[in-house]
Parts: sequence; structure tokens; C-alpha cells
Amino acid sequence: QSVLTQPPSASGTPGQRVTISCSGSSSNIGSKSVNWYQQVPGTAPKLLIYSNNQRPSGVPDRFSGPKSGTSASLAISGLQSEDEADYYCATWDDSLNGWVFGGGTKLTVV
Amino acid sequence: EVQLVESGGGLVKPGGSLRLSCAASGFAFSSYTMNWVRQAPGKGLEWVSSISSSSNYIYYTDSLKGRFTISRDNAKNSLYLQMNSLRAEDTAVYYCARVPCSGGTCPLDYWGQGTLVTVSS
Repeated sequence: QSVLTQPPSASGTPGQRVTISCSGSSSNIGSKSVNWYQQVPGTAPKLLIYSNNQRPSGVPDRFSGPKSGTSASLAISGLQSEDEADYYCATWDDSLNGWVFGGGTKLTVV
Repeated sequence: EVQLVESGGGLVKPGGSLRLSCAASGFAFSSYTMNWVRQAPGKGLEWVSSISSSSNYIYYTDSLKGRFTISRDNAKNSLYLQMNSLRAEDTAVYYCARVPCSGGTCPLDYWGQGTLVTVSS
């Protein structure tokens, strides 16, 4: 059972906008920055969004990450076939003194 | 270019031990907090352990119950994970990942490619 809660799956068609939610508590999302990772099966996770809504160099602005209270979301606009991957939210938990992850959301582009 | 290269994975029997290594290059290793994160086959990401830049602060996930030990050698730009009393549920790909600062203010920004540990008789 993951500390952060994500839906197990999401889907969309090319060009569509999809959102993936991430729910936590006051000891993690409520007080810390949320980061999002993209993982193509068989490869290492790649940082997609950090500090709630910042994008590392090279990540297109189609990806955004609003946060509100103890929840966060990853929004992907203009969906493309190469966006098909697993997405994880993550943050530090002050009660656990460690990093916590969501269970992951498998995004399918149909 | 930032590079993190894990090694030391393999097949080990239940109750056995294994030592993972992570060789870092392309950045000032001694200035970064380092972490181990694992992923069981077909499952999600699970943080294992964290060690601060000077090894002053070390944290582990509660479920390990003292079986794993994280360490680092800044002179060799290397991170280690000593795993003892291994169980089938420890079977996973183990990633090392760096963090530019402590306390969760910064993200796990670069990850290695991972090394597979399989615990089976």
C-alpha cells in the first residue's frame, strides 16, 4: 500500500488533455514539494516535474503539475503516443523521514 | 554529463548477502545526498535508504528492520548498499539516485539504470 494514492490507469487519445491525481497527507504533500516521474518500462525513472510545477530542461511545456493542499495533479496536454508510460508522484515525508511514492499510473494513448 | 552506474546485483539464495555499488561521475558527488530506490518486478517504486553528503544523516524505510546498510566513499565517488538476510520480497531492480539537498526540498533528479537483485533458492 503506497503512502501516496494515484489511480492505477489513465488513458486518452492523441491531442487530448489528461490529468493524473496524487493524494497524500499533511506530513508529505501538505508540507513538501511534489515531484513527478515518467518511466518507460525497462528504463529508469526520469524527472518530469519538480517543486510542484517546475520542468527540468528538455521537458516540454505540455506537462504541468499543480498542487493544492494535500493533493497534486499531473496534467498532460496535446497527448502524444510517446507519452505512453508509467507516471509516479513522489515527495518527502517528514513523519517517515523518507521519500514516498504513489503506486504509479499507467497511461495509455489509444 | 551526470552518470550513475549501479553494479553488484545478481542471484542470491534466501538468507544470503549482497553488496551493491553505485559509481558516480560528472558532478561533485561529495556535495549530494544519495539514495537507493527499488522496484519489484511489475510493481511501483519504493524508497530504500538515504545518506547525506557527509554521512551524518542516514535513513531507512521501516520495513527493512536493520537488514540493509547504506554507506558512501566520497574519495571514490561511490555509494554502497550492504544487504543481509535477503528474502524473496527483496527481489527488485535497485536504483541509486542523487538529491541536490536534504530534507525533501529538492527532487531525486538523476537516477542510474539499475541493477537487478533476485532472491531465490
